[in-house]
Amino acid sequence: DTGVSQDPRHKITKRGQNVTFRCDPISEHNRLYWYRQTLGQGPEFLTYFQNEAQLEKSRLLSDRFSAERPKGSFSTLEIQRTEQGDSAMYLCASNRKPEAFFGQGTRLTVV
Amino acid sequence: QKEVEQNSGPLSVPEGAIASLNCTYSDRGSQSFFWYRQYSGKSPELIMFIYSNGDKEDGRFTAQLNKASQYVSLLIRDSQPSDSATYLCAVTDKLIFGTGTRLQVFP
Repeated sequence: DTGVSQDPRHKITKRGQNVTFRCDPISEHNRLYWYRQTLGQGPEFLTYFQNEAQLEKSRLLSDRFSAERPKGSFSTLEIQRTEQGDSAMYLCASNRKPEAFFGQGTRLTVV
Repeated sequence: QKEVEQNSGPLSVPEGAIASLNCTYSDRGSQSFFWYRQYSGKSPELIMFIYSNGDKEDGRFTAQLNKASQYVSLLIRDSQPSDSATYLCAVTDKLIFGTGTRLQVFP
């Protein structure tokens, strides 16, 4: 148990629906990351936060993806109008330098 | 050009041998470098980090960094079957990952 909690663990949704994932970081960690990972690939950077400030969002990410971290605590990742290509594992990590701890991930399947 | 590049493998080594994993990166301004291990179906976990040129040793693991060549490597001595996993190189505080190298250690 790394201490980073993600919910839900699995999500099946129909194409075109919106989905929202939640990440609860380790309490004293002020940096939080979101990644997407598909089979045989490394984690693909989506965005990261320092406390409540979103520092950067991947240029590869379409406007259908948005993330928030209100009050610098938990974070949510929303995908609007899901597409089959969004099917992947979505990983959250929180950081106390130098080590980032990963959650178990949310597996999204778009049918 | 990808920001972080790794050979996807698989790299197969016999038990007891040295496994050498390599990574190159494109951003010359990168200051921090990490090696993560990911077992199948699990999340990545940190093995080592390195900030300065040269070698850094931790048990059976040695990280090597050459900023001039934009190259970072991981050596695993006395490889064990339990080391079989995907090894991910990550660069900068933003943690940009490569595709990972799959290592197989056979008895």
